Amino acid sequence: QVQLQQWGAGLLKPSETLSLTCAMHGGSFSGYYWSWIRQPPGKGLEWIAEVNYSGSTNDNPSFKSRVTISVDTSKTQFSLHLTSVTAADTAVYYCVRGGSGGYSWFDPWGQGILVTVSS
Amino acid sequence: QSVLTQPPSVSGAPGQRVIISCTGSSSNMARFDVHWYQQLPGTAPKLLIYVNSNRPSGVPDRFSGSKSGTSASLVITGLQAEDEADYYCQSYDSSLSGHVFGTGTKVTVL
Repeated sequence: QVQLQQWGAGLLKPSETLSLTCAMHGGSFSGYYWSWIRQPPGKGLEWIAEVNYSGSTNDNPSFKSRVTISVDTSKTQFSLHLTSVTAADTAVYYCVRGGSGGYSWFDPWGQGILVTVSS
Repeated sequence: QSVLTQPPSVSGAPGQRVIISCTGSSSNMARFDVHWYQQLPGTAPKLLIYVNSNRPSGVPDRFSGSKSGTSASLVITGLQAEDEADYYCQSYDSSLSGHVFGTGTKVTVL
């Protein structure tokens, strides 16, 4: 059974860079897209970016080039970097597995990590 | 930004049937499949329905989904107390070139 374990800094100051990593255990890493999704406190879900095992990426245009997503297939890990954070980036960040075709559902989800941006 | 519209809340008594709608457009739900997630308080979302009407293993059959054109529905038949949660629909949008979620619906069991 695929499990996702995520980690990263939980408290940032404005203008810093958010860095999160997610490790996949218990399944195949190749053949899937791997995404980051966030949820501001009390609000809905927002897809951020995805990467596949070969390093091909797609990201949400609303982040205006602040996002970098990368993959390390040797460690079955993928990472998210979000630059120039502001209070609006405060959210719970989830790593998830997508499908093989890129238009798929998300399952499973990581446990989530709350990232707070505050001066 | 949410491009799929859901009602903010629905409620029902135990045993009743509730329906959650999800409305999109020609660039998303008309062309791509819809998936549904359940988010219990304080937990990560969990896949509930995939490809419009399919239930993953372990999801009770009181949950069902359907899609027609630019609209989709999640139906809970025989509402139970443990179904009290937030529910989100999800699809892909060709104009945005990305995955999109619904605005979310809070289900309250009376």
